[in-house]
Amino acid sequence: AQSVTQLDSHVSVSEGTPVLLRCNYSSSYSPSLFWYVQHPNKGLQLLLKYTSAATLVKGINGFEAEFKKSETSFHLTKPSAHMSDAAEYFCVVSDRFSGGYNKLIFGAGTRLAVHP
Amino acid sequence: DAMVIQNPRYQVTQFGKPVTLSCSQTLNHNVMYWYQQKSSQAPKLLFHYYDKDFNNEADTPDNFQSRRPNTSFCFLDIRSPGLGDAAMYLCATSSRGVETQYFGPGTRLLVL
Repeated sequence: AQSVTQLDSHVSVSEGTPVLLRCNYSSSYSPSLFWYVQHPNKGLQLLLKYTSAATLVKGINGFEAEFKKSETSFHLTKPSAHMSDAAEYFCVVSDRFSGGYNKLIFGAGTRLAVHP
Repeated sequence: DAMVIQNPRYQVTQFGKPVTLSCSQTLNHNVMYWYQQKSSQAPKLLFHYYDKDFNNEADTPDNFQSRRPNTSFCFLDIRSPGLGDAAMYLCATSSRGVETQYFGPGTRLLVL
């Protein structure tokens, strides 16, 4: 069965410093992985996705993630945090297609706080 | 811009009073999903439609129903809301064979 574990429930950084949000996955086959961001009282916005192409995936707003099969990790990074990055971040793995649709398996989420 | 729209953004209802949440999409996607997200938790899939085929998650309570009258619209009906049903309800869509799901802004439901 597919699963994801987000290693930190809360991360706090200062504006202008690097961001690292950690995610490990478990999959019996080559997974499709996503990072979504959710700002307070908003829906989920897709940051980036990995689908077995390049292992370093670039997303929106300066975020990127690296797929490391040997470590079963898909950590999200950004070189310099901005106040507007404060939000909840979800690491997600896609379950195998069944009948034309796929089920998303969510991690528990990491709340990112950015301080001035 | 193609998008997923949810109305209303905030809904207040009374304990036991039926409520309907609405989702529409301009993406022309085959699949529409409804998720429930309680405070500080990850979204939980309630059910989805693949075209007109309805698929219920095994642990979705009977109190939750859904309708999809056409490709663009999908409704979530809560027949008798309880206090425990207060949550953010998220609609998402995807295209057949594509894993990425696109989410609407959500409807926050408050049950008094």
